Amino acid sequence: GESVGLHLPTLSVQEGDNSIINCAYSNSASDYFIWYKQESGKGPQFIIDIRSNMDKRQGQRVTVLLNKTVKHLSLQIAATQPGDSAVYLCAESFGNEKLTFGTGTRLTIIP
Amino acid sequence: DAMVIQNPRYQVTQFGKPVTLSCSQTLNHNVMYWYQQKSSQAPKLLFHYYDKDFNNEADTPDNFQSRRPNTSFCFLDIRSPGLGDAAMYLCATRGGYVNEKLFFGSGTQLSVL
Repeated sequence: GESVGLHLPTLSVQEGDNSIINCAYSNSASDYFIWYKQESGKGPQFIIDIRSNMDKRQGQRVTVLLNKTVKHLSLQIAATQPGDSAVYLCAESFGNEKLTFGTGTRLTIIP
Repeated sequence: DAMVIQNPRYQVTQFGKPVTLSCSQTLNHNVMYWYQQKSSQAPKLLFHYYDKDFNNEADTPDNFQSRRPNTSFCFLDIRSPGLGDAAMYLCATRGGYVNEKLFFGSGTQLSVL
């Protein structure tokens, strides 16, 4: 079946540096993508989303890039802070009610 | 203020003993979801309600059932929990449009002894 996956299961970044978390998706029909942040023992928290008619979308300290040619999604976090340490989940849907999640990347911020 | 509330936060049950997890929402959203998330894995959709219409995933075991008595509440019933059902159970809601974000509760961590 279709799946959403991540290139790197873990990522360690120095505090203050920028982080880039990558996600590959396999369903070329997917038209909506979303990033969630999940802290230990908590539910996923919305970060940013993007529709397939866009290539880039910016939020506060975060940017999502979508490359439909290679079916790749990335989340950029600027000037990472200790509070950014968490698991980051990407998810996709294709015009229906369901989101399919990837496994996630654990981001660790080094002081 | 919490918008999707799950109770209890932690639940311990015995092997084979029925257990019910609850979810309530203050968002008046049409769609409610139940996801199962095992350690270091992605959340896996079990089923969802669009209003009163129940939508089961093809690979959700019969052991898992759900009820939605009204817009605000949704329950997950595990009829005979096995050791493999130990997981975080996440409830989420969404308004009536596709391609919109889901709002998640804090989850219920279920342990099976």
